[in-house]
Amino acid sequence: DAGVTQSPTHLIKTRGQQVTLRCSPKSGHDTVSWYQQALGQGPQFIFQYYEEEERQRGNFPDRFSGHQFPNYSSELNVNALWLGDSALYLCASSLAGGAGNTQYFGPGTRLTVL
Amino acid sequence: GENVEQHPSTLSVQEGDSAVIKCTYSDSASNYFPWYKQELGKRPQLIIDIRSNVGEKKDQRIAVTLNKTAKHFSLHITETQPEDSAVYFCAALSGNTPLVFGKGTRLSVIA
Repeated sequence: DAGVTQSPTHLIKTRGQQVTLRCSPKSGHDTVSWYQQALGQGPQFIFQYYEEEERQRGNFPDRFSGHQFPNYSSELNVNALWLGDSALYLCASSLAGGAGNTQYFGPGTRLTVL
Repeated sequence: GENVEQHPSTLSVQEGDSAVIKCTYSDSASNYFPWYKQELGKRPQLIIDIRSNVGEKKDQRIAVTLNKTAKHFSLHITETQPEDSAVYFCAALSGNTPLVFGKGTRLSVIA
């Protein structure tokens, strides 16, 4: 039973660049949520994808966008990177309609913006 | 929206002692409360969760209690071991709303 996977593991970018992060959900899951975790903080919700559409969005600017593919995998895109975007980006998968929407996290992508 | 407060931010206990971490939430409609353990450089891992129709749940040395009236829930770890050292996050959600996390508690178990 494959767990949640993310790629790449680490990424270094410079200000103004664009980045794409990828996530494959746990086998059998159809919903992917993305979180940003700054150092020493709890994860902050960015958005959630279900049936290839953004279902909910947290308090993040339009520079953050995403996509979900028919196989339920997902991408997070960040444009015009700022220094403040440096963080661990986590995706979590769940089963829509599953009791409590239990979410399982991937290992994360550590993004450093210089 | 939902707001989750978590206390304490740091906690040190002697090996074998118990540890208790407390969280409060603001949205009375919240009905699912997971706890995650995150070791340094690793992903948050679900260790236990509780739903609003249950007041307490146990899994070996870990237990969670929920008081819906007071809108607070707690994580209890008994017989702590050095490998319990990590950051613990509580979270809450209601229906299809996103998970809202507390700021975390850094637990250190001193051998």
